[in-house]
Amino acid sequence: GAVVSQHPSRVICKSGTSVKIECRSLDFQATTMFWYRQFPKQSLMLMATSNEGSKATYEQGVEKDKFLINHASLTLSTLTVTSAHPEDSSFYICSATLVSSTDTQYFGPGTRLTVL
Amino acid sequence: TQLLEQSPQFLSIQEGENLTVYCNSSSVFSSLQWYRQEPGEGPVLLVTVVTGGEVKKLKRLTFQFGDARKDSSLHITAAQPGDTGLYLCAGSLTTDSWGKLQFGAGTQVVVTP
Repeated sequence: GAVVSQHPSRVICKSGTSVKIECRSLDFQATTMFWYRQFPKQSLMLMATSNEGSKATYEQGVEKDKFLINHASLTLSTLTVTSAHPEDSSFYICSATLVSSTDTQYFGPGTRLTVL
Repeated sequence: TQLLEQSPQFLSIQEGENLTVYCNSSSVFSSLQWYRQEPGEGPVLLVTVVTGGEVKKLKRLTFQFGDARKDSSLHITAAQPGDTGLYLCAGSLTTDSWGKLQFGAGTQVVVTP
């Protein structure tokens, strides 16, 4: 149980284009979903927290107009990187919490974004 | 500045040896999780501890939550190459909402045959 999927697993795009990453909780309803960014050999950096039906809460320093988050249902959240640039290249990971247990997060497998 | 300090940052040991990873903070956490992450994959939950002084065992892995809920440790007995990975501790502050987690910087563990 508590499986989270992400799609796509890898994406390569040209500079200036937008990329959408999906995060789904497959066998449970998620109270909250989180989006992280991870640089090589570093820990996870929280970008934003989203709850179904409400606006995402962004961490300090994260541009909300650049990283658009939509949380349409209790099983789906999307992150859109708008007008991507090479410095946006990174490993993006989402996580979800169970309705009954808000402290434990279950992570997706991650999406490797490369912007040329 | 990270609220959770993990040590050591890197650990390289031979198969069969024991190892301990520490996670310390001056803040109190309502719960603490340990994850293992392999390259190119998302972190996988190993354990959640919620009670001060709690000890949990998962086969060769032993997790301890400090009495004051400010620190935790992960001990691996007779390490195997399959234990290689990035170990992350993460805690939920009593003052944070929505299950937000504070992550440590991680400990890279390498177990060689």
